[in-house]
Amino acid sequence: DVKVTQSSRYLVKRTGEKVFLECVQDMDHENMFWYRQDPGLGLRLIYFSYDVKMKEKGDIPEGYSVSREKKERFSLILESASTNQTSMYLCASRLRGAGELFFGEGSRLTVL
Amino acid sequence: RKEVEQDPGPFNVPEGATVAFNCTYSNSASQSFFWYRQDCRKEPKLLMSVYSSGNEDGRFTAQLNRASQYISLLIRDSKLSDSATYLCVVKENTGNQFYFGTGTSLTVIP
Repeated sequence: DVKVTQSSRYLVKRTGEKVFLECVQDMDHENMFWYRQDPGLGLRLIYFSYDVKMKEKGDIPEGYSVSREKKERFSLILESASTNQTSMYLCASRLRGAGELFFGEGSRLTVL
Repeated sequence: RKEVEQDPGPFNVPEGATVAFNCTYSNSASQSFFWYRQDCRKEPKLLMSVYSSGNEDGRFTAQLNRASQYISLLIRDSKLSDSATYLCVVKENTGNQFYFGTGTSLTVIP
């Protein structure tokens, strides 16, 4: 069965802290994505990676960076968390050139 | 203009009712179309892909109208368990970008 695992379901951080969100998939998918989901705005793409060590900015990359050192793992980094980064973060993966996205359970981040 | 637009609802319907959602997309070059279901505080999960000829999966029917650039989802004989938010998702012909609607909220009432 397809599995995308996000390391933390709920996090509370303080303004200025560095935050790591980890995502692991066990499907050997080339493509991985980080989205944030906010009420009324839907899912917005932060970054995606089309293969190991490859990354591209999405629609809202400001304030975020990513790392893809291994095929199965895609990390989202908030270098200095701010209150406007309070959101639900969703990781997804997809087989290159085919079909749908598979999502992790999400990480709900609150920045105080 | 948003890439994908949906009526946010909410739709409140009695059990057994038929309900339909529409979604419009702006890029005529879009290639792939999906309906996802998202339960409260959970991740989106694929409900069904949408094919050019239309497709059906049990009580769910999805249709695509390329000329008018909209897709639809019809749910027949609604169940309480159908209560969720339904997301319209569109992928363009090139690149890896998926575009999401903001979702349509459905509540099925006993």
